[in-house]
Amino acid sequence: AQRVTQPEKLLSVFKGAPVELKCNYSYSGSPELFWYVQYSRQRLQLLLRHISRESIKGFTADLNKGETSFHLKKPFAQEEDSAMYYCALGGSNYKLTFGKGTLLTVNP
Amino acid sequence: DAGITQSPRHKVTETGTPVTLRCHQTENHRYMYWYRQDPGHGLRLIHYSYGVKDTDKGEVSDGYSVSRSKTEDFLLTLESATSSQTSVYFCAIRAGTSPGGAQYFGPGTRLTVL
Repeated sequence: AQRVTQPEKLLSVFKGAPVELKCNYSYSGSPELFWYVQYSRQRLQLLLRHISRESIKGFTADLNKGETSFHLKKPFAQEEDSAMYYCALGGSNYKLTFGKGTLLTVNP
Repeated sequence: DAGITQSPRHKVTETGTPVTLRCHQTENHRYMYWYRQDPGHGLRLIHYSYGVKDTDKGEVSDGYSVSRSKTEDFLLTLESATSSQTSVYFCAIRAGTSPGGAQYFGPGTRLTVL
């Protein structure tokens, strides 16, 4: 079974502070992992995928297979980063399993 | 936005009425999905399609049906809407060849059932 856990429903930081959104997964095969971002009342947008190892809007995420984690990090948070963030896992069944999401608020 | 549109964008209806939501894509993707988004639950898969006339259930399919008569259109029908189906509904397509590949989402339909 595929499972994604985002332990924090809410995360609040100040502008300029580092931010880390946690994601843990359970999957017996080789997963594909993603982070999606949803700004207020907008569509979900793909932010990062683990296979591309890229940095988007200053965010990075590293897949740690030993800890089954895919945490999202940014060294200096900006107010425009305030949004809902979803971690998602893709397996062999052509479906994505989403975590319940973390609402990030960046305070001025 | 991967050429995905949804209609209507907002709808208010009454309990017991049928409702059909439409998802339209312009890029000929094989896989299409319907999700609902609710506070505290994240996104949950309702139904998905892997080709014309080929559909399967997701984790919250009760009370919903789907149809796909053309590659570009995937319809979600609530046969008899209930207040528990008040939600935001998102359509998505899967791009690429990998089974676990990324999905791209439409703008959503906000449905209120009174």
